[in-house]
Order: sequence, then C-alpha cells, then structure tokens
Amino acid sequence: GESVGLHLPTLSVQEGDNSIINCAYSNSASDYFIWYKQESGKGPQFIIDIRSNMDKRQGQRVTVLLNKTVKHLSLQIAATQPGDSAVYFCAETMGGGSYIPTFGRGTSLIVHP
Amino acid sequence: DAGVTQSPTHLIKTRGQQVTLRCSPISGHKSVSWYQQVLGQGPQFIFQYYEKEERGRGNFPDRFSARQFPNYSSELNVNALLLGDSALYLCASSPGGGPSYNEQFFGPGTRLTVL
Repeated sequence: GESVGLHLPTLSVQEGDNSIINCAYSNSASDYFIWYKQESGKGPQFIIDIRSNMDKRQGQRVTVLLNKTVKHLSLQIAATQPGDSAVYFCAETMGGGSYIPTFGRGTSLIVHP
Repeated sequence: DAGVTQSPTHLIKTRGQQVTLRCSPISGHKSVSWYQQVLGQGPQFIFQYYEKEERGRGNFPDRFSARQFPNYSSELNVNALLLGDSALYLCASSPGGGPSYNEQFFGPGTRLTVL
C-alpha cells in the first residue's frame, strides 16, 4: 500500500522488465496531463504529455494512458533501464493559457541491474 | 544551449531572516514560474510571471514575493523565514505566449535550509 509522510510509493523492477507507474488525479476539468522524471539533485524533466481528448499517447519507450472515467493516469516504460531510476510525478493542468501544473505526490522507481 | 540556471545552489538561514533566490530562464523564454518542493512531495506552485507581469499565484503567505526583470530573469523573496520554509525551490521557464508554448523547463533548484 501507499506510504505516508516522507516515504514515497516505490516500484522496484529488474532491468529489462516493463514498468507501470500509476497516478490518480483530482480535477475532472483538467485538460492536460504531464509526466515528469526527477533524478536526485535535479529539477523535474518533461517525459510525455497527453490532452484530455486522447486516451493513449506513445513516445520513445514510454506510453501514457488516460482514463477520464476514473480519473486515472499511467506511465508505461518499456525495457526499463538503470538510468530510468528516479522519482516520477504526474501533473494536471487546467490549460487556458496559463499552464500552471498541479503535481501529484510521486513514485520512486528503482531499477535493479 | 544553457538551460534554466538558479543561484545559489544551497543556502542556510536562520528563522526570521530574509532570503532572495535567483533564476535565469532559457534564452528566449518569457515566462518564469516558481515552485516549492518539500522532501518527499511534488512541487507546489508559488508564482508565475510572464512579460514581467504576475500571471498566477499559489496558496502561499504574503511573506513570499517575486518579480521578473526586463531580461526575463526572476527573483523569489521570502521574508521572516520559518523552519517549514526549508525546501528545494525550483524555477521553471517556458516560452509563454499561448497554450502551445507552455511546456516548462525546470532548473536544478536552490536547496534552502532554515535553522
């Protein structure tokens, strides 16, 4: 189950496996969703985004799935590599030009060689 | 090309002091946003500026203020520091100017510790 306080939810996988990171968002009016990767000592880095009128979008080794019915977002990473080890955040935004993302809590992905 | 830069990288202050954090956006970007990231949590939005005007403000007390300069760099000021202000302060820049140009690029952050 999900930890509280300082402890992030953690996903541990073996190198080469596929990883799935899940996120529940809060605002049904959000129209734009983004996944970020944050490595230790660095700021968040954009991975992939999806608009609310889509349910799937693919990038290089990553796929984002959006289920608006249950307000759920997932990030799939294919053939996970040690360099994928990081904290992953989903973010939602209302759009409208100002683009102020609201970040979720984050999931720590640990890839074992 | 240089990314978003922030200074200083680390800072230690005591309660009641004031601090100023600085951010230089990517060249050509006109929008700067500030976030606070407490350990173990996602970044929380503080301010957004575009063309030197405040475009958005998060749920932070008036002790927090910011401004953007004509060269689009920005400062975040925090007065009367509290222990709870200890966090990583992130700056993000974006081209701004419309929904198609709002992807944010983050700097490495300034780690503020309040004792």
